[in-house]
Amino acid sequence: QVQLQESGPGLVKPSGTLSLTCAVSGGSITSSNWWSWVRQPPGKGLEWIGEIYHGGNTNYNPSLKSRVTMSVDKSKNQFSLNLSSVTAADTAVYYCARSGYPYTVDYWGQGTLVTVSS
Amino acid sequence: QSALTQPPSASGSPGQSVTISCTGTSSDVGGYNYVSWYQQHPGKAPKLIIYEVNKRPSGVPDRFSGSKSGNTASLTVSGLQAEDEADYYCGSHAGSNNLRVFGTGTKVTVL
Repeated sequence: QVQLQESGPGLVKPSGTLSLTCAVSGGSITSSNWWSWVRQPPGKGLEWIGEIYHGGNTNYNPSLKSRVTMSVDKSKNQFSLNLSSVTAADTAVYYCARSGYPYTVDYWGQGTLVTVSS
Repeated sequence: QSALTQPPSASGSPGQSVTISCTGTSSDVGGYNYVSWYQQHPGKAPKLIIYEVNKRPSGVPDRFSGSKSGNTASLTVSGLQAEDEADYYCGSHAGSNNLRVFGTGTKVTVL
């Protein structure tokens, strides 16, 4: 069974860059799946950030597209998220996830809280 | 790309049924049969319970069922149990650029 684990700083300063990595175990990142990032501000709903395929193809939420970069490291079986020019509005639990069914996230990481504050 | 609309809350007594709606547009829910539903308990990651409108992943009880009519999808939880008390989110494919959108979320309370 696939397992996903997010890692990265829990605190980022305003105007800085949020960087997270998701380690994939129990499966290969080069399988026929897309790999996603979803976030959830405290007490609020889910927001899809975007997804990446192991070949490097990406799809991003238009509202975040100008600030988002995703990448894959096949040698480490992991993928990453960079979100630039962060503000307090970017404070959220960030989940990495897999789309095992067409256009559907099935496996989720446990999530990691990232707070944007000086 | 706006969030799909769900009622903020729903409730039912143990053994009863509850139905949650998820309203979008012809560009998302109405345009594709890629509607999914997620259950989220407090402090936990969401769990997929329905995909492609009405399919259940292995291990999900058949008390959970999904349907769609036009731009509105629905999740029905039959035979409510205490452990069904959670937040529920719908999700949908949204357009030719392979975008995704989630619903606003519904808190289900088992009375």
